[in-house]
Amino acid sequence: GDSVTQTEGPVTVSESESLIINCTYSATSIAYPNLFWYVRYPGEGLQLLLKVITAGQKGSSRGFEATYNKETTSFHLQKASVQESDSAVYYCALRDTNAYKVIFGKGTHLHVLP
Amino acid sequence: EAGVTQSPRYAVLQEGQAVSFWCDPISGHDTLYWYQQPRDQGPQLLVYFRDEAVIDNSQLPSDRFSAVRPKGTNSTLKIQSAKQGDTATYLCASSLSARANSDYTFGSGTRLLVI
Repeated sequence: GDSVTQTEGPVTVSESESLIINCTYSATSIAYPNLFWYVRYPGEGLQLLLKVITAGQKGSSRGFEATYNKETTSFHLQKASVQESDSAVYYCALRDTNAYKVIFGKGTHLHVLP
Repeated sequence: EAGVTQSPRYAVLQEGQAVSFWCDPISGHDTLYWYQQPRDQGPQLLVYFRDEAVIDNSQLPSDRFSAVRPKGTNSTLKIQSAKQGDTATYLCASSLSARANSDYTFGSGTRLLVI
């Protein structure tokens, strides 16, 4: 079936360090999956961080980047220098272009130390 | 524009009790989704609507869960006889189907604890 696997948390890094949260997907029934990263900050609702709908393309937002790699079925989230305000739960997700159901990973808790 | 509004924010029940969750989507969004998110898991789709019609409810435990969207705007998700395994956050989201690759907007969720 279709699924998403991401780094198990919690992940703890110090401010200004680099970050990578791994995400791999399986899209056996989806020919052209769209890939997403969602984020939930403390006390807030789930919100879209970035998305990429075309293989080989890179998405970016708030200093985060992720590249859609169809060969390795990966969509890792990276940031060169994290801030304390990046502490949140990050979810990798996929969706079929012509469908509406979004399939989420389990989420990765990120703690950034000041 | 106003976001997706959900109520209540929290609910605590004993097993066997009933509870209803309410969702007001973004105005004009024709597609509405209910997701269940158990602790330390990602959200999992329960049901979604296009206008007032149920498009997919295959993951909704039909013996105890029901969802309606009678006028194609607000929606109610109801659990008839709650079980401890229903403890989770229930998320509502909406989108505009007419737009290609339309993004979801999520509400803040209702956190349910069944004891």
